[in-house]
Amino acid sequence: ETGVTQTPRHLVMGMTNKKSLKCEQHLGHNAMYWYKQSAKKPLELMFVYSLEERVENNSVPSRFSPECPNSSHLFLHLHTLQPEDSALYLCASSQGRGLGNTIYFGEGSWLTVV
Amino acid sequence: GQNIDQPTEMTATEGAIVQINCTYQTSGFNGLFWYQQHAGEAPTFLSYNVLDGLEEKGRFSSFLSRSKGYSYLLLKELQMKDSASYLCAVRGSNYQLIWGAGTKLIIKP
Repeated sequence: ETGVTQTPRHLVMGMTNKKSLKCEQHLGHNAMYWYKQSAKKPLELMFVYSLEERVENNSVPSRFSPECPNSSHLFLHLHTLQPEDSALYLCASSQGRGLGNTIYFGEGSWLTVV
Repeated sequence: GQNIDQPTEMTATEGAIVQINCTYQTSGFNGLFWYQQHAGEAPTFLSYNVLDGLEEKGRFSSFLSRSKGYSYLLLKELQMKDSASYLCAVRGSNYQLIWGAGTKLIIKP
């Protein structure tokens, strides 16, 4: 139990579907992140929210849409995805984003786009 | 550009010692992290170095040389449960983490 919970753990969706990934953190942190993890590639930072405000958006296609309704919850809304979007999507949180702040990850949502 | 390099895969024997290296070129440096990730699980925090030298935590130690852009993770008395991927990440000048692709460590009996 990492203190960061993601649902669903596995998702298979067609290219015309709309689905959402959900993340909840129980650590009292004020920053939340979405990362994409593909096989044998470095973690790719997608979005960062700090105090519920989006502070980073790393050139992510608009078919990915984040939502942060409060400091404990983070969503990633998915629509018209492509097969190359199949990957492990990791949610993470931290207390602040500065020097030494450790990021804590959820167990991830495995996404397969067919 | 910014880059983190670590070996793709390493193999070691149960009970032995293994050293996983990480070299980095980044614009600015605000600390280096090591994470462990078992297959199908979340990455979990192992260590953080911001000053040169060795940080020891039980069987695991992490070393940093900022002048050389180099770190290593040392695992002693290897156990089968240490089979996992080990991720190196550097916090750059804008405080964003830059990640290596990870080193898959295979432990053999």
